[in-house]
Amino acid sequence: AQTVTQSQPEMSVQEAETVTLSCTYDTSESDYYLFWYKQPPSRQMILVIRQEAYKQQNATENRFSVNFQKAAKSFSLKISDSQLGDAAMYFCAYRSADNQGGKLIFGQGTELSVKP
Amino acid sequence: DAGVTQSPTHLIKTRGQHVTLRCSPISGHKSVSWYQQVLGQGPQFIFQYYEKEERGRGNFPDRFSARQFPNYSSELNVNALLLGDSALYLCASSLAQLLWGNEQFFGPGTRLTVL
Repeated sequence: AQTVTQSQPEMSVQEAETVTLSCTYDTSESDYYLFWYKQPPSRQMILVIRQEAYKQQNATENRFSVNFQKAAKSFSLKISDSQLGDAAMYFCAYRSADNQGGKLIFGQGTELSVKP
Repeated sequence: DAGVTQSPTHLIKTRGQHVTLRCSPISGHKSVSWYQQVLGQGPQFIFQYYEKEERGRGNFPDRFSARQFPNYSSELNVNALLLGDSALYLCASSLAQLLWGNEQFFGPGTRLTVL
């Protein structure tokens, strides 16, 4: 069975600085997808960025980028120029490529606070 | 366009009761998934429905059931509520089942408290 682990329950960053959130996963599959979701206090889960396992190039979305290390089964999220609105719970998630149910497997989450 | 909507927003029940949670997907989306998020944890997959058929089921007891209607809205039913069922229940919709490009869009959730 696949598992996702986020070892940092809480992280803090100064506004305008850069922060990296860690995520590791365990799978025997070769093809899969990885995601970072943001959940602010409003509870609405929002997709931040996604990565296809067969792509070597790391995904980037504006201030958000990932460091995908397939061999190490690591998938970290870097937030550059942090803003107050980035404060939220961040979840790393895994989905099998052949999973017909579309099931997402989430980590435990990392709560990010941004200091002005 | 409206996003995924869920009702009710909050719900308080007592042990042993039954509860029905409702979800309306984004217009045009045919797939609905349900997740349970216990406080302080990541969401856990409960069910996925596509074209009104169950296509995936997580490790939840038979007290949990769901269905999808012809308009693609969905209901999650939980019988014989336990204290441990207290959680945020999230619904997510997507266009179709298998395509990579089909992002799952989440609703705001229903907060269920079992006393």
